[in-house]
Amino acid sequence: AQSVTQLGSHVSVSEGALVLLRCNYSSSVPPYLFWYVQYPNQGLQLLLKYTTGATLVKGINGFEAEFKKSETSFHLTKPSAHMSDAAEYFCAVSDRISGNQFYFGTGTSLTVIP
Amino acid sequence: NAGVTQTPKFRILKIGQSMTLQCTQDMNHNYMYWYRQDPGMGLKLIYYSVGAGITDKGEVPNGYNVSRSTTEDFPLRLELAAPSQTSVYFCASSSPWGGKYEQYFGPGTRLTVT
Repeated sequence: AQSVTQLGSHVSVSEGALVLLRCNYSSSVPPYLFWYVQYPNQGLQLLLKYTTGATLVKGINGFEAEFKKSETSFHLTKPSAHMSDAAEYFCAVSDRISGNQFYFGTGTSLTVIP
Repeated sequence: NAGVTQTPKFRILKIGQSMTLQCTQDMNHNYMYWYRQDPGMGLKLIYYSVGAGITDKGEVPNGYNVSRSTTEDFPLRLELAAPSQTSVYFCASSSPWGGKYEQYFGPGTRLTVT
């Protein structure tokens, strides 16, 4: 089975500062990669995904992530944090062959300090 | 499109009671999933289905049952509720065709067993 590691269960940044949320996966074959955001008392919403092609992918709300095969990483970034970015962020992977099971990281809670 | 809908939003059960969590999707997705989310633990897969009449166990299936008689519906049954089943339950659906790959989530059901 695949595994997903999110370094840092809690990250705090100042408003306007860079947001960097880390995600590493374990798989010999690069999987499909996803970042989801969860606002309080809501379901998960897709931020962005990497399936094929350009390794730098852009998502909603100014977020982007870069797939680095050599580092088995898919870190999420945003140049300037906004108060509305405060939420829980989950990295997930899906096997390319079967595509029917997702593996989620344990999540990173982002706090934005005014 | 309503997407993925779940009912009820909240429920309190007494130990030993049973209930069914409802999940419906209107996107004609073949794949459907049930997860539970406990604080700091990310999402754990309970059961999934790759099509009507086909279900399979995920990581934490004990104490739950599912059925999939139609493409749209994927109910989750709790028999003999236990305090350990206190959690937030999310239903999701996906379709690996058309280049989408991602899962779409419902708003969740918050269940408390006392």
